[in-house]
Amino acid sequence: QLQLQESGPGLVKPSETLSLTCSVSGDSINSRIYYWGWIRQSPGKGLEYIGAIYYSGTTYFNPSLKSRVTISLDTSKNQFSLSLTSLTAADTAVYYCARRSGSGWWYFDSWGQGFLVTVSS
Amino acid sequence: DIRMTQSPSTLSASVGDRVTITCRASESISDWLAWYQQKPGKAPKLLIYRTSSLESGVPSRFSGSGFGTEFTLIIKSLQPDDFATYYCQQYVTYSPITFGPGTKVEIK
Repeated sequence: QLQLQESGPGLVKPSETLSLTCSVSGDSINSRIYYWGWIRQSPGKGLEYIGAIYYSGTTYFNPSLKSRVTISLDTSKNQFSLSLTSLTAADTAVYYCARRSGSGWWYFDSWGQGFLVTVSS
Repeated sequence: DIRMTQSPSTLSASVGDRVTITCRASESISDWLAWYQQKPGKAPKLLIYRTSSLESGVPSRFSGSGFGTEFTLIIKSLQPDDFATYYCQQYVTYSPITFGPGTKVEIK
């Protein structure tokens, strides 16, 4: 049974960098089938795709966030991480990690429970 | 970016009702559309992919149809567990994938 669990700081100051980790159990992030992604949800912008990473390190980002986003893998811990720089209040959201479908198409078949991040001084 | 819209934004219905939700894309996405269900405080759950294919474990009262720019999600006979918010998502392009704003199905 695949499980994804987000973790990180719930409160971050403006202009700082957010770092979130997704711990995966029940599957290996070294899988050649899946991409592992981040999606966020805020009242103002709804669901917004952030980016995703493949076992090889290949990444695909939302162009609107690309300049501020890094996604990386830690295969030794079966985790992947999100880094988002230059935070503003607009980055306040629930952040989800998710697994892209093994079909090769860009929809997400498993999601973490979500993690609320508030950007405030 | 491909813009997704949904109608209605809120829908009031009773158990047993047939419910139809519409999703429109700002340009043709062929049949590259998914639907998700989200309950308060929970993550979205995949219901349907490629417009009409049911994800494993999803009840058959859910169905999807459409092509190009207009799509529908139908719940044949609404059950108590179905009161939730429903989102469509296009994936004709991953750059970027985009979601609709959601349709909340509430109890009448």
